[in-house]
Amino acid sequence: SAVISQKPSRDICQRGTSLTIQCQVDSQVTMMFWYRQQPGQSLTLIATANQGSEATYESGFVIDKFPISRPNLTFSTLTVSNMSPEDSSIYLCSAIAGGRDTQYFGPGTRLTVL
Amino acid sequence: AQSVTQLGSHVSVSEGALVLLRCNYSSSVPPYLFWYVQYPNQGLQLLLKYTSAATLVKGINGFEAEFKKSETSFHLTKPSAHMSDAAEYFCAVSGISNTGKLIFGQGTTLQVKP
Repeated sequence: SAVISQKPSRDICQRGTSLTIQCQVDSQVTMMFWYRQQPGQSLTLIATANQGSEATYESGFVIDKFPISRPNLTFSTLTVSNMSPEDSSIYLCSAIAGGRDTQYFGPGTRLTVL
Repeated sequence: AQSVTQLGSHVSVSEGALVLLRCNYSSSVPPYLFWYVQYPNQGLQLLLKYTSAATLVKGINGFEAEFKKSETSFHLTKPSAHMSDAAEYFCAVSGISNTGKLIFGQGTTLQVKP
């Protein structure tokens, strides 16, 4: 299994600013992902964080808005840029360790944009 | 494309009663299927998974699910509900080409009444 931590756990930000969320896994993992959970809704995949290369974004998400880094096999960051109230969501990091059949999730970062 | 439908956004049962949460999927390839639970203000925890082995899958906390290909279903059950089971439950299917990406259903809120 993999234990995933995220920082910060929550934040309140002003419109137009940016926030970087950190995700740390306690072991080397093959794949890392970032999801968004808007209020009262399910999870939507933002992107796959690729180690040493540019992230792979899902339809509707772009690098300028959600730049992602993954410098090594245990760490990734997601930045929410030029925030607006519509970005208020829970952002979750996840990872797959070893085989590709089990995905573990971090506790999430609850973001509120005023 | 793959998709997941959870029937019933809100399910209420009495403590000790049977829990049945419904999930139907659509997939053009043999799917991997998952049930996750999310307690208030927490991340997602894996309950159980189906990865083409036994069709009846047992998970944590007394939950189990049965993969029925003919019905394209993966319903979650628990014989006797406990107050601590009150949470949000998500069914998910893995993405095409074994990319590890998960597609989530809309979620079902389980309420357990004393």
